[in-house]
Amino acid sequence: RKEVEQDPGPFNVPEGATVAFNCTYSNSASQSFFWYRQDCRKEPKLLMSVYSSGNEDGRFTAQLNRASQYISLLIRDSKLSDSATYLCVVNIKLLGTSGSARQLTFGSGTQLTVLP
Amino acid sequence: NAGVTQTPKFQVLKTGQSMTLQCAQDMNHEYMSWYRQDPGMGLRLIHYSVGAGITDQGEVPNGYNVSRSTTEDFPLRLLSAAPSQTSVYFCASRDTQPTGELFFGEGSRLTVL
Repeated sequence: RKEVEQDPGPFNVPEGATVAFNCTYSNSASQSFFWYRQDCRKEPKLLMSVYSSGNEDGRFTAQLNRASQYISLLIRDSKLSDSATYLCVVNIKLLGTSGSARQLTFGSGTQLTVLP
Repeated sequence: NAGVTQTPKFQVLKTGQSMTLQCAQDMNHEYMSWYRQDPGMGLRLIHYSVGAGITDQGEVPNGYNVSRSTTEDFPLRLLSAAPSQTSVYFCASRDTQPTGELFFGEGSRLTVL
């Protein structure tokens, strides 16, 4: 079972639509959660962190449900420029030879295309 | 603002050849890492380092070596390339806070024939 699972999509939505992405994670000890955005053939970039109380950044809202080990991202009033792959990211602890370190584990991403 | 710089951006190798992907960051980040990204697999951690002189294995370390002689540089070596190593490689760094943002290089697209 993957540590972080996402619906790969693709999601094709018209401009102005509201779209929601979901993500589940398997490690209940995970402490930090993020959404990254990756444009085609580019590097991932941080979109927003996800806090227990939920958080909003403009048209983007992130929610965390620790009991269900579930994270969501809601995009309202979609723009053409929102077309990208959205990566769910969870911070888990790996035990290595140099001690333990928290690592970011990435979901495989959900592809969004906003259509004119 | 250079951030994380990776070279080369593109490389084609024959099976059995060796090469080094270079990564440098100018943000004085202690933590650096290498990921590979394959279709449908997401980004998978190859090796990471929490500071100069310290390296450790990630999820998919086989076939790759790393070293961290300075804070700035974290090269990834393929000793004997295999077609299964055809992928896009990303170097990334962050500060010591585990909740810190991970900054990525632009990626290196490697094809092994």
